[in-house]
Amino acid sequence: EPEVTQTPSHQVTQMGQEVILRCVPISNHLYFYWYRQILGQKVEFLVSFYNNEISEKSEIFDDQFSVERPDGSNFTLKIRSTKLEDSAMYFCASSDVHNEQFFGPGTRLTVL
Amino acid sequence: ILNVEQSPQSLHVQEGDSTNFTCSFPSSNFYALHWYRWETAKSPEALFVMTLNGDEKKKGRISATLNTKEGYSYLYIKGSQPEDSATYLCAFRRTYKYIFGTGTRLKVLA
Repeated sequence: EPEVTQTPSHQVTQMGQEVILRCVPISNHLYFYWYRQILGQKVEFLVSFYNNEISEKSEIFDDQFSVERPDGSNFTLKIRSTKLEDSAMYFCASSDVHNEQFFGPGTRLTVL
Repeated sequence: ILNVEQSPQSLHVQEGDSTNFTCSFPSSNFYALHWYRWETAKSPEALFVMTLNGDEKKKGRISATLNTKEGYSYLYIKGSQPEDSATYLCAFRRTYKYIFGTGTRLKVLA
């Protein structure tokens, strides 16, 4: 059964460093998403992506964040200069036109 | 501010009991309401995508209803089993933005 994969499963970084979180969506899906969940809080929408551009982004998704689909398979989230409050579980998801979203297993980001 | 509320926050039921939880969301500019099942140490699994007022969807012992005019959806589990233990999340979609509730944590006791 096709699935969304994410790497790494856990990333530890120093404050101020850049991180890139990687996702491989399901191959025939057209819509891609990033979410995050800070420990003990709600899942928060970050960004949706379609046709090689951002469809919508939340207030959280400021200039420190960017997304890219560099080739036909990967979908990446870059955080340019990490802050302590960026520590969270980051989930990638993808969907086809019916919009049932399939989530990856998540990357736990720890900023020290 | 868009807010999605789920109740109860957590629930313990006995095996075989039927149960239901609520998701409340803004009633304006509605696109869709998603339900997910999220087991510990796994990723959220899609249960239903509901788009039309009055929608009713069913998957096995789990079903959901939608009222977009008043802004709520109910998720029902008939004859709960221990394997139903999970957090049930709803997410309100407006255009391409999704707002999640805090989830209802269900524990089914054998």
